[in-house]
Amino acid sequence: DAKTTQPTSMDCAEGRAANLPCNHSTISGNEYVYWYRQIHSQGPQYIIHGLKNNETNEMASLIITEDRKSSTLILPHATLRDTAVYYCIVREQGGSEKLVFGKGMKLTVNP
Amino acid sequence: DVKVTQSSRYLVKRTGEKVFLECVQDMDHENMFWYRQDPGLGLRLIYFSYDVKMKEKGDIPEGYSVSREKKERFSLILESASTNQTSMYLCASSRPGTGGVYGYTFGSGTRLTVV
Repeated sequence: DAKTTQPTSMDCAEGRAANLPCNHSTISGNEYVYWYRQIHSQGPQYIIHGLKNNETNEMASLIITEDRKSSTLILPHATLRDTAVYYCIVREQGGSEKLVFGKGMKLTVNP
Repeated sequence: DVKVTQSSRYLVKRTGEKVFLECVQDMDHENMFWYRQDPGLGLRLIYFSYDVKMKEKGDIPEGYSVSREKKERFSLILESASTNQTSMYLCASSRPGTGGVYGYTFGSGTRLTVV
């Protein structure tokens, strides 16, 4: 079973920051938080991952709370092409190589 | 720049047929995975492989088998296709130990319809 909880859907205005929440209250100390997204009719795409510290790359920023029980994926300037299903996943580093996807959250970016 | 290639984008097969879904990756990844995706159910893991000739069952292996004779190729086999196997099938690969620096790389998917 997926170990994360996300809202079913969210809307965002084009050009604004999109803040996508994820709860992972049972996360253990050696589990990373991964974010993927799936644009319609394509395979999922890796976005970012982190353990404790906040992370940033060219696609997004990941903010993880100090207790690590929740995180937020931030798309700083959402575009129409960011409309997708976003998956938050926790996975043990060095453990099973499997990724367990939940149902994800549909982000719709509106013009 | 395609890295994980699935042989067919759309496939229509008859009930009872033996179906082969092929997946090839060019990143020299050790791990390969097969998922299916259905509306309302998300992605579910069918089988995965850590190395050539190695395979492990995922969450829903019933009705499926796999073959990994070469590192770059991972085949999903539907021994006797049934209508409840109509789905989107997604292949992925990764380098072990880190989930890959960039995590999994997925193919574009094969939409299989069993009639």
